[in-house]
Amino acid sequence: DTGVSQNPRHKITKRGQNVTFRCDPISEHNRLYWYRQTLGQGPEFLTYFQNEAQLEKSRLLSDRFSAERPKGSFSTLEIQRTEQGDSAMYLCASARGDRNEQFFGPGTRLTVL
Amino acid sequence: GEDVEQSLFLSVREGDSSVINCTYTDSSSTYLYWYKQEPGAGLQLLTYIFSNMDMKQDQRLTVLLNKKDKHLSLRIADTQTGDSAIYFCAVTRGDNDMRFGAGTRLTVKP
Repeated sequence: DTGVSQNPRHKITKRGQNVTFRCDPISEHNRLYWYRQTLGQGPEFLTYFQNEAQLEKSRLLSDRFSAERPKGSFSTLEIQRTEQGDSAMYLCASARGDRNEQFFGPGTRLTVL
Repeated sequence: GEDVEQSLFLSVREGDSSVINCTYTDSSSTYLYWYKQEPGAGLQLLTYIFSNMDMKQDQRLTVLLNKKDKHLSLRIADTQTGDSAIYFCAVTRGDNDMRFGAGTRLTVKP
C-alpha cells in the first residue's frame, strides 16, 4: 500500500511532555498538510508545506507546535509542553502538485493525561 | 458562523437513497469534496466537484452543486449497510487549507 502513513497511531503522554509525530506522504506528492480533529468535529487545518517550504500556518498552531519537512518528503509535527486540550486525532494529508485532491493518512490519536 | 455546515445525523433503510446536504459561506470556493470516515479510520476521498460544474455522477454517488445558494449535496443510491459512516463536506480555494463541516453520521438500517 503506497498511501499516506502516520506514526505512531496512538500516543499517550503526561501533561507537560513533548511529543513528535511523523507523516510519510504518497511518494510523488509535493504538498503536505496537517490537520487536527476532535471528537464530533471535522478536521481543522493546522499547516501546509509545498516541498520543504511551510507556506501557511493556522492561528490554531500555537508557539508550542512546530512542523518541519526538511527534505520535502516526510514531515514531523512536534508539540511541546503538551496540555490536555491537545488531545485529538492529528491527521496528515498529501496532494500532487497539479491536482487538488488531498489524500489522508490514518491519523495519530494523542491522549494527554 | 461556521464556514461549512452539515446536518449531524441521517438514518435510512437499506436500499433507499441517502441525501446528505452541506452549505458553505465562501463564494470563492473552487473545489468541493466529500470524504467518508469509518470508525477508527482516516478520511477516504469519495468524490469532488469543481465550482464550474453543477453535477457529477460516479457509480452510486451523485454530487449536486448549487453555487448561487452555496449548497452541495451527496446522493448515495441503493444505500448499503457498508455505507454507514460519517460523511464530511469540505471546500477549498485551491492549494491552501481545506475547510470541513462537522460531518453527517449516516446510519443504514437493514
